[in-house]
Amino acid sequence: DAKTTQPTSMDCAEGRAANLPCNHSTISGNEYVYWYRQIHSQGPQYIIHGLKNNETNEMASLIITEDRKSSTLILPHATLRDTAVYYCIVRGTTNSGYALNFGKGTSLLVTP
Amino acid sequence: DTAVSQTPKYLVTQMGNDKSIKCEQNLGHDTMYWYKQDSKKFLKIMFSYNNKELIINETVPNRFSPKSPDKAHLNLHINSLELGDSAVYFCASSQPTGMVQFFGPGTRLTVL
Repeated sequence: DAKTTQPTSMDCAEGRAANLPCNHSTISGNEYVYWYRQIHSQGPQYIIHGLKNNETNEMASLIITEDRKSSTLILPHATLRDTAVYYCIVRGTTNSGYALNFGKGTSLLVTP
Repeated sequence: DTAVSQTPKYLVTQMGNDKSIKCEQNLGHDTMYWYKQDSKKFLKIMFSYNNKELIINETVPNRFSPKSPDKAHLNLHINSLELGDSAVYFCASSQPTGMVQFFGPGTRLTVL
């Protein structure tokens, strides 16, 4: 699986958009970009994933650059409950064993 | 109607004891996992099972033995507990591609 690089921490004001970047310059053609988050003391939660097109669901939007070497997770109107560690994970569908390799993630703090 | 459940939520025990953590999923998934999150918050895969067969065993000491009595359950038995086993253990499940994984609430194990 390709390595990902994320900022260690970010702040966002409540009600504003939170834009979380991720670099994955060694991503290969069949690898997807996934985002999970972990709210304090809870299990990780799936947010969204994509291959090359931008994706949107009820939780967030995922913008992938044309060369696929980086992506941005957008929480359009951050709330205090969005304070969590956000993980960007790159893996292919044929990854043996199907495991997710969590890195250090970005600790997002949403402030009032 | 919890999707992935774990028991117990907290487990405090003495060194040298044997303990088990249970996991059940009601999502109809074929693949289940155990992850370990240590004190530094790194989340690492331990095991994955697909259709009750072991797929991944990530250099975990053989004191850890997963058991899958059926596709809906993956239990973790730990023999001769050591101080270093103190961590939060998460169970997860997914369809076989593992693209979207659903995590349980975690079991916080403390070994004294």
